[in-house]
Amino acid sequence: QVQLVESGGGVVQPGGSLRLSCAASGFTFTYYGIHWVRQAPGKGLEWVAFIRYDGKNEYYADSVKGRFTISRDNSKNTVYLQMSSLRTEDTAVYYCAKDLIRYFDWKTGTFDIWGQGTMVSVSS
Amino acid sequence: EIVMTQSPATLSVSPGERATLSCRASQSVSSNLAWYQQRPGQAPRLLIYGASTRATGIPARFSGSGSGTEFTLTISSLQSEDFAVYYCQQYNNWPPWTFGQGTKVEIK
Repeated sequence: QVQLVESGGGVVQPGGSLRLSCAASGFTFTYYGIHWVRQAPGKGLEWVAFIRYDGKNEYYADSVKGRFTISRDNSKNTVYLQMSSLRTEDTAVYYCAKDLIRYFDWKTGTFDIWGQGTMVSVSS
Repeated sequence: EIVMTQSPATLSVSPGERATLSCRASQSVSSNLAWYQQRPGQAPRLLIYGASTRATGIPARFSGSGSGTEFTLTISSLQSEDFAVYYCQQYNNWPPWTFGQGTKVEIK
């Protein structure tokens, strides 16, 4: 079945780095963009980053721009989120989510399949 | 950035009753609006996109309406599994893609 599985979360000190992975299965990975969305404890959903199906463009929330980098390896059906200069306010469950739209157009941005999430805690 | 505002924050409803959730955008998002359900301890699930199109496998008791800046999610007859938090999200002007703060539907 269509599935996304995140990994790589953990506890890190402020200023540290972490790399999250999102492994996809059950669909043609190379057709779809992938997003990262996070949820701080007890809070709502915040979109973090997006990478196009072909990896040619990336988009970031202002809150993470310059600190986080999204990338993908289509040979491994995996998307990554490299997080550096982490802050306490980055503490959250991080979900990867598949875009509903094949390829890329102006209606990109509906999240039809979500992973189970991976927890990132930034604390000294 | 488009700000999405949901109301009410909490909705108390008895099983079998109708629930009506509202979402307002700070500027027009046309019909580029989605709704998600999040049960405790679970990932969000897509319910509605295009303001009114049910996602695959979503029961007919869920319906969405609206366009421009005002949207509504209606659950016609609440089942036990429907008590959850619901988020609206716009995909008309991006980045960023933005969510509302959520409406919690609780048992009355």
